[in-house]
Amino acid sequence: DGGITQSPKYLFRKEGQNVTLSCEQNLNHDAMYWYRQDPGQGLRLIYYSQIVNDFQKGDIAEGYSVSREKKESFPLTVTSAQKNPTAFYLCASRPGQGLTSNQPQHFGDGTRLSIL
Amino acid sequence: DAKTTQPPSMDCAEGRAANLPCNHSTISGNEYVYWYRQIHSQGPQYIIHGLKNNETNEMASLIITEDRKSSTLILPHATLRDTAVYYCIVRATLGGTSYGKLTFGQGTILTVHP
Repeated sequence: DGGITQSPKYLFRKEGQNVTLSCEQNLNHDAMYWYRQDPGQGLRLIYYSQIVNDFQKGDIAEGYSVSREKKESFPLTVTSAQKNPTAFYLCASRPGQGLTSNQPQHFGDGTRLSIL
Repeated sequence: DAKTTQPPSMDCAEGRAANLPCNHSTISGNEYVYWYRQIHSQGPQYIIHGLKNNETNEMASLIITEDRKSSTLILPHATLRDTAVYYCIVRATLGGTSYGKLTFGQGTILTVHP
C-alpha cells in the first residue's frame, strides 16, 4: 500500500541528546513537510522541502534540522537546542512541485516525543 | 490565508447524515477549501477539497455556497468510526509566505452515537 511511514511511534529524549525522527513515503510525492502539534493546538510548520536536496525553514525551525537526500525520505532531527521538544510530530507529503499546486497534503501517523 | 470558523462540537446519530458547517467569509478567489479529520493520536486524514463547485468522493460531499463564504461537509451515513475532530482549512494556491502550509484551527469535535 502507498503511504507515509513515520517511525518510531514513541520516542524519548534525554537532556542534551539529539534524536532523529524518520519519515518515508512511497507515493512519489515531490513536496514534504514537518509539523509539530501541541495538546489542544493546531499544527505548526517546522520545515518543508519541495524537491530533493532543497528545504526551507517554516515558522518554528529553531532547534530542528532536516535533510532531503532522497525523494522518499525527509528525516527530522530534534537537537539539544530545542528546549521544549515534547510534542506530537507529523510528517506530510504532497504531489506536484511548486506552491501553486492545489493537491492536498497527506499525513503519516506521527511520532510522539517526550523528555526523560 | 482566510480564517475559518467552525462550531466547537456536534453530535450525530449513527446511520444519519452528519452536516458540518464552516464559515470562511474572507475567502479570496484563488483559495481552496480543504477538509481533514483527526482521530486521537493519529495523523490528520484528508477528506475532500474544492474551489467553487460541489465535490463528492467515496468519503464525503462538499457543498460550497455560491458566494463561497461558507461550506458544508456532509458524511452521508455516519458511523461510530467517524467520531473525530474535523478541520476546515482555506489555502491559497499561490506561494507568498504560506509555503503551502496548512493552518489548522480548533475544528469541530464530531461525536457519533449509537
